[in-house]
Amino acid sequence: SYVLTQPPSLSVAPGQTARVTCGGYIIGGNSVHWYQQRPGQAPVLVVYDDSDRPSGIPERFSGSTSGNTATLTISRVEAGDEADYYCQVWDSASEHPEFGGGTNLTVL
Amino acid sequence: QVTLKESGPVLVKPTETLTLTCTVSGFSFSNGRLSVSWIRQPPGKALEWLAHIFSNDEKFYSTSLKNRLTISKDTSKSQVVLTMTSMDPVDTATYYCARVSRNPEGGKYFDYWGQGILVTVSS
Repeated sequence: SYVLTQPPSLSVAPGQTARVTCGGYIIGGNSVHWYQQRPGQAPVLVVYDDSDRPSGIPERFSGSTSGNTATLTISRVEAGDEADYYCQVWDSASEHPEFGGGTNLTVL
Repeated sequence: QVTLKESGPVLVKPTETLTLTCTVSGFSFSNGRLSVSWIRQPPGKALEWLAHIFSNDEKFYSTSLKNRLTISKDTSKSQVVLTMTSMDPVDTATYYCARVSRNPEGGKYFDYWGQGILVTVSS
């Protein structure tokens, strides 16, 4: 089991909005970060500190948190967004990072 | 340009010790806001954090694997080394090293990743 809970899979049609959720008590008071992992590739940071985007990440990717749930929103989904998405929180008390179990996004 | 690259054996036998090296460039270990972790991913499974080393040489390990792991760094070579003892077929995975950045509030995230190295444990 994972400290951070993500739905295993999500399917969205092109042009629609995908919302990937991440839940867990550890989220409260800690920053949430999101990674995209395309098949056969290393993960890539797409959102950090709940809602900031690294340079080069499209504005279609956004993040938010509310209570113990974080959400990665991908607007105007494209075929190239098909990937696994992982949330991550760094537990400052233990200095251990925690990953969610990942969500496989399929673009129909 | 920040890069990280993992190197080491791609095949190890059960009970052997695995030694992996992460060679970094584009940043300094002396920067207190930057540090390095090792993370692995078994085929078809999720990411699993293994170990972390801060710029001040403080080290942290996964609770479930801490008895088998050792992380160290060689600043002069810009390398971080991970050793894992008593390898088992269940340890077959892609092993990544990743740079960790820290925000002013203390939150940390992996902003750069190596390409990963697939290590297979088999006799």
